[in-house]
Amino acid sequence: AQTVTQSQPEMSVQEAETVTLSCTYDTSESDYYLFWYKQPPSRQMILVIRQEAYKQQNATENRFSVNFQKAAKSFSLKISDSQLGDAAMYFCAYRSAKQAGTALIFGKGTTLSVSS
Amino acid sequence: DTAVSQTPKYLVTQMGNDKSIKCEQNLGHDTMYWYKQDSKKFLKIMFSYNNKELIINETVPNRFSPKSPDKAHLNLHINSLELGDSAVYFCASSQDRGYSYEQYFGPGTRLTVT
Repeated sequence: AQTVTQSQPEMSVQEAETVTLSCTYDTSESDYYLFWYKQPPSRQMILVIRQEAYKQQNATENRFSVNFQKAAKSFSLKISDSQLGDAAMYFCAYRSAKQAGTALIFGKGTTLSVSS
Repeated sequence: DTAVSQTPKYLVTQMGNDKSIKCEQNLGHDTMYWYKQDSKKFLKIMFSYNNKELIINETVPNRFSPKSPDKAHLNLHINSLELGDSAVYFCASSQDRGYSYEQYFGPGTRLTVT
């Protein structure tokens, strides 16, 4: 079975600085997707970024980028120029590409606080 | 326009009652899900439906029954509610034909059983 591990329960960063959230996963599959979701206090789950396992290039979405190391099964999220609105819980998630209806497998989350 | 909506957003009820949570998506997706987020914020899949067919039925008590009347709706009915059912329940949807696979979440329903 696949597992996702986020080893940092809490992280903090100052405004305008850069922070990296870690995620490792375990799978025997070769075709899968990885995601980062943000959950602010409003509890809405917001998709931040996604990465296809077959792509070597790291995904980027504005201030958010990932470092995807397939062999090491590592998928970290870098937030550049941090803003107060980035404060939230961040979840790393894995999804098999094997069949339709496959669920996301989540890590336990990292709470990010941003100070001014 | 809300992409994935859930009603109600808050539900407070007593032990032993039966309740339903409704979910609708207007994204034209073919797959829908129910996730449970516990008090420690851990998210876990409960059910998934693809084109109204049950795909995932995780080990949840059979007091929980999903119903998908059509591809745009997935409801969750819970019988004989227990204290341990208190949690946030999220509905999500995705388009699994082609290679999209992102799941989009509803706002969640906070269920409190007293």
